[in-house]
Amino acid sequence: AQSVTQPDIHITVSEGASLELRCNYSYGATPYLFWYVQSPGQGLQLLLKYFSGDTLVQGIKGFEAEFKRSQSSFNLRKPSVHWSDAAEYFCAVGARGNTPLVFGKGTRLSVIA
Amino acid sequence: EADIYQTPRYLVIGTGKKITLECSQTMGHDKMYWYQQDPGMELHLIHYSYGVNSTEKGDLSSESTVSRIRTEHFPLTLESARPSHTSQYLCASSGGGKAFFGQGTRLTVV
Repeated sequence: AQSVTQPDIHITVSEGASLELRCNYSYGATPYLFWYVQSPGQGLQLLLKYFSGDTLVQGIKGFEAEFKRSQSSFNLRKPSVHWSDAAEYFCAVGARGNTPLVFGKGTRLSVIA
Repeated sequence: EADIYQTPRYLVIGTGKKITLECSQTMGHDKMYWYQQDPGMELHLIHYSYGVNSTEKGDLSSESTVSRIRTEHFPLTLESARPSHTSQYLCASSGGGKAFFGQGTRLTVV
């Protein structure tokens, strides 16, 4: 069965510092991978996705993620964090066809001045 | 912006009441989903649908029920609310390889 692990429950970074959020997945087939962001009291917004091709994908708000098949990872990065990036971040895995997404437990990002 | 809407945004209701959480999307997506999310926790799939008259239970057992009479509408019903149902409920639809989420309904059962 597919699963997603986000090892870090809570991360705090200084504004302007770089960020990396970790995501590891377990999936039998070639996965579709996603990162979502959730602001307090809001729904989820798609940041970026990977289906195939270039393993480094660019998303909205200056985020990028790299798919590493050998490590079963899909880590999210941003070179310079802004205070408005403080939110909950969810990694998810899915597959082509009729398969609902499976989400990780999320990583809460706090940004300090 | 995604065209998927959930109402109400917030609901406080007494134990034993029947409630229906509404979810509508205007994107013509066949696939729709309900997730349950406790504060600071992961999302758990409780129901999904791949089209009209199609509904399936998700990974997390839920006492709620759903219906899919129209493509755009995927309501979730609790026949008798209990405090254990207190949670956030997120509706989503997917198409073209993307999933879009509503803003959620935060339900409190007192």
